Amino acid sequence: DAKTTQPPSMDCAEGRAANLPCNHSTISGNEYVYWYRQIHSQGPQYIIHGLKNNETNEMASLIITEDRKSSTLILPHATLRDTAVYYCIVKPGGTSYGKLTFGQGTILTVHP
Amino acid sequence: DGGITQSPKYLFRKEGQNVTLSCEQNLNHDAMYWYRQDPGQGLRLIYYSQIVNDFQKGDIAEGYSVSREKKESFPLTVTSAQKNPTAFYLCASSMLGGRTDTQYFGPGTRLTVL
Repeated sequence: DAKTTQPPSMDCAEGRAANLPCNHSTISGNEYVYWYRQIHSQGPQYIIHGLKNNETNEMASLIITEDRKSSTLILPHATLRDTAVYYCIVKPGGTSYGKLTFGQGTILTVHP
Repeated sequence: DGGITQSPKYLFRKEGQNVTLSCEQNLNHDAMYWYRQDPGQGLRLIYYSQIVNDFQKGDIAEGYSVSREKKESFPLTVTSAQKNPTAFYLCASSMLGGRTDTQYFGPGTRLTVL
């Protein structure tokens, strides 16, 4: 599985957009980019995933560069409840057994 | 209300005792997974199952056992052979057969062995 690199921490003001970057320069053609977040002492929460096109859902947007070597998760209007550790993961699609390899992630702190 | 449930949320056991953690899902997902998380660390895969009555070892299966007698249930037993059982245990499930198999997680069980 491809490795990912994320900044260890980021700050964001409440109500502003939070842009979380992720580098995955060794990503393979069949690997998807997934984003999860984990609030302290809770299970990870799925946010969004994509292959090569930009994706948007009710929680966030995912922007993947054309060469697929990096991506950005965008929380359009961050709230205090978005404070969490955000994980960027790459994983093959299809019927692989599906192990998720979580790295250290980015600690996002949203402040008033 | 669909989802994944894990019980109990907190569990305390004495050293040398086996303990079983419950994981149930009503999402009709094919696959289920058990992960372990230690403080400040990422998740590590213990066991996974893609179909009833079949399961596979993950990266850190030693000292653990599982069963998959029903599609919706995947209990994990932490045995006395597990050297460092104190950890946060997470269960997940996913559909199989599509383009992707997004995993959804339960709330976790925090096990403390005294």
